[in-house]
Amino acid sequence: DTGVSQDPRHKITKRGQNVTFRCDPISEHNRLYWYRQTLGQGPEFLTYFQNEAQLEKSRLLSDRFSAERPKGSFSTLEIQRTEQGDSAMYLCASSLLASPLAGGYNEQFFGPGTRLTVL
Amino acid sequence: QKEVEQDPGPLSVPEGAIVSLNCTYSNSAFQYFMWYRQYSRKGPELLMYTYSSGNKEDGRFTAQVDKSSKYISLFIRDSQPSDSATYLCASPPGNTPLVFGKGTRLSVIA
Repeated sequence: DTGVSQDPRHKITKRGQNVTFRCDPISEHNRLYWYRQTLGQGPEFLTYFQNEAQLEKSRLLSDRFSAERPKGSFSTLEIQRTEQGDSAMYLCASSLLASPLAGGYNEQFFGPGTRLTVL
Repeated sequence: QKEVEQDPGPLSVPEGAIVSLNCTYSNSAFQYFMWYRQYSRKGPELLMYTYSSGNKEDGRFTAQVDKSSKYISLFIRDSQPSDSATYLCASPPGNTPLVFGKGTRLSVIA
């Protein structure tokens, strides 16, 4: 399977614990995105990388959240001191940013998500 | 006001019906308009996208954009039980992260 993979698929933790999620994008994709989706809502953007550079962070990404993409391949999202409000599906997506001259839209391919439950 | 508004439903139709799903958006910078389909406990998958105004057809699915009214539609003809899913409209303001609607949950009853 050459799609986007995420690990773990499910995580149950107690309030106050730290958790870390991993995303492996499609191998040639240079952009990687993190989104959060709560029940009954569409995905909301958290942050994204182009290669190893973190280009944008949403105001949803509080100081307790940190994301890395150290070698421009896989990425990790860490949540420190988890709160019950952090319970959500965390989605990773990747895309290939083509040359600006190529035009068109660079499709984002989503992984299956990591479902976090904070007790 | 959210940049992309979508009626969350749920919407329930009999098999074979024509389904109409709609969104409105507020950001005039939006140029690309996407429809994603999301099955329960799965990640979204891109169904189709359109650029600017107009129609795009792909099999039983037709996407329509009216930029003058900032209205996006997805039509599903001859709906099947396998079409039961949540349908999300989205747009990137530039070549940037997507802004999604809430999603409309569709059930097609056999």
